[in-house]
Amino acid sequence: KAGVTQTPRYLIKTRGQQVTLSCSPISGHRSVSWYQQTPGQGLQFLFEYFSETQRNKGNFPGRFSGRQFSNSRSEMNVSTLELGDSALYLCASTSQGNEQFFGPGTRLTVL
Amino acid sequence: AQRVTQPEKLLSVFKGAPVELKCNYSYSGSPELFWYVQYSRQRLQLLLRHISRESIKGFTADLNKGETSFHLKKPFAQEEDSAMYYCALRRGSTLGRLYFGRGTQLTVWP
Repeated sequence: KAGVTQTPRYLIKTRGQQVTLSCSPISGHRSVSWYQQTPGQGLQFLFEYFSETQRNKGNFPGRFSGRQFSNSRSEMNVSTLELGDSALYLCASTSQGNEQFFGPGTRLTVL
Repeated sequence: AQRVTQPEKLLSVFKGAPVELKCNYSYSGSPELFWYVQYSRQRLQLLLRHISRESIKGFTADLNKGETSFHLKKPFAQEEDSAMYYCALRRGSTLGRLYFGRGTQLTVWP
């Protein structure tokens, strides 16, 4: 089975812009979770989608949003980018055995 | 509230020496505990989960509810064990959400 894939792998944006990141889960996995990883805060949960519905949400401002499509692929969007949004964004899909499999991440740099 | 603490940011041992990576948690319910590992230039991957009680790559971890700990141990460290290790907690009610510790960078010297 192919692993979790994320696109793009690297992204450079400027303050004020918006960005959309994409995640394709492992085939058959219906849950997709997003995390932000930074040197200062570590790994922090953003949100989780299951069957196109947001099931859990972390403590991030409303500029961070996401969605999931009927094929379980997920996107996250960050609007009005700030310098502090520079991070590695990880996507994970959860198996029926409740194991999370992580993607390689998207490295976002905000200038 | 739940919290995962990994007190050591860096840990160095020599090859063949025992290694223990500490993880303490706070959570009033019954958590599920995990260890994830990230080798250089690779993605985060599951190493152990407490409910499976398996030994993976020689590593073991026992959940101690009295001490609220889930320390990762290996009797004889190998150079290929050098990596970043994260302890994570999941509440039973939020299956898709993991609470991570800040991680411990393990270096095994030859």
